[in-house]
Amino acid sequence: ILNVEQSPQSLHVQEGDSTNFTCSFPSSNFYALHWYRWETAKSPEALFVMTLNGDEKKKGRISATLNTKEGYSYLYIKGSQPEDSATYLCASPTGANNLFFGTGTRLTVIP
Amino acid sequence: EAGVAQSPRYKIIEKRQSVAFWCNPISGHATLYWYQQILGQGPKLLIQFQNNGVVDDSQLPKDRFSAERLKGVDSTLKIQPAKLEDSAVYLCASSSTSASIYEQYFGPGTRLTVT
Repeated sequence: ILNVEQSPQSLHVQEGDSTNFTCSFPSSNFYALHWYRWETAKSPEALFVMTLNGDEKKKGRISATLNTKEGYSYLYIKGSQPEDSATYLCASPTGANNLFFGTGTRLTVIP
Repeated sequence: EAGVAQSPRYKIIEKRQSVAFWCNPISGHATLYWYQQILGQGPKLLIQFQNNGVVDDSQLPKDRFSAERLKGVDSTLKIQPAKLEDSAVYLCASSSTSASIYEQYFGPGTRLTVT
């Protein structure tokens, strides 16, 4: 079973603050790294799928970086808004198929 | 494009009762997943289907859980009999292929409470 870890477990920030969180994963046998956003009572939504070392992806105010050699990915949110409040999950597959998820970072943005 | 549909959204049952969840994936998606997400943990894969065949069910507690995907479209997940520790959100997801470099599309989940 793959060990995917996320930190911090939860985070409270003020509206307008920028924030970031970490996902670490085993660097050997790397295939991909997924980020999902899961708002309460809604479906988890895919943010990014990253495959290349050094890759950086952006979606609006959210961006992510990937370091496959050291086994970590950062997710950044610039100018947090209340609608960014959600649990952010990362996941990595052991091989060609199954995803193993971290426990998530629960973000609360205070207006 | 319609998303992944799941029903029911919420279910409360007593231990030792049976329960079934239904999932309708995105049209044309060959791969379907069932995940269990226990409070405080990340989603854990229970079973993965490719069309109507099982690709991986290594983490499915087969003494009480069963799943099927008839005709390679809709899927049902059943628990019989339920235990207290089965209280969780059950997520269904689908993707166009089984390759892990492609994103999965999730339904809203079924929140199961076993009392």
